[in-house]
Amino acid sequence: GESVGLHLPTLSVQEGDNSIINCAYSNSASDYFIWYKQESGKGPQFIIDIRSNMDKRQGQRVTVLLNKTVKHLSLQIAATQPGDSAVYFCAEALRGQNFVFGPGTRLSVLP
Amino acid sequence: GAVVSQHPSWVICKSGTSVKIECRSLDFQATTMFWYRQFPKQSLMLMATSNEGSKATYEQGVEKDKFLINHASLTLSTLTVTSAHPEDSSFYICSARNDVNEKLFFGSGTQLSVL
Repeated sequence: GESVGLHLPTLSVQEGDNSIINCAYSNSASDYFIWYKQESGKGPQFIIDIRSNMDKRQGQRVTVLLNKTVKHLSLQIAATQPGDSAVYFCAEALRGQNFVFGPGTRLSVLP
Repeated sequence: GAVVSQHPSWVICKSGTSVKIECRSLDFQATTMFWYRQFPKQSLMLMATSNEGSKATYEQGVEKDKFLINHASLTLSTLTVTSAHPEDSSFYICSARNDVNEKLFFGSGTQLSVL
């Protein structure tokens, strides 16, 4: 799988507020979903994942929600901090194969 | 755990030379690794899927003779950019899929600048 390059959408939030980053995935059969964070000049960093038999999973300050009906994935970041500023990618996969990445969303945290 | 080491992180080379980039999974085995290219402010573009012990699978439009991939062990894949030209300048990233839990982890990327 691959992702075609696009200009990144940007989300700006105030420090301390909650952030919600959305992603629409393409394959209704996908059974595994991941969120990654990428800072400038670095490789993507694994944040949280969820399998299709769940609709919600929580980590430390992050929550991933999966809505299979509308093929929608979201990442919620609680109490957003300046260090959360980065580009966030979602990815979908089927049986561990063909990871397909979304175009990414740039999160900017305002002081 | 789940560390993927990519080396070098930055390389500058002359046009016509070849550059090798290494991707190692440090604490897990990865039969499958992936190589991507990323342009500024854009998403990841999959170049090829590297499978241990077999030939890599290249995405459409990616020249296999230009981008040589070797995956000789369960923890190491290499990408060699042969006869590099300025248009090959880019950020290259690898990822490795954990054989046990199928999670995908990324290397830190290699910035290639061809003069």
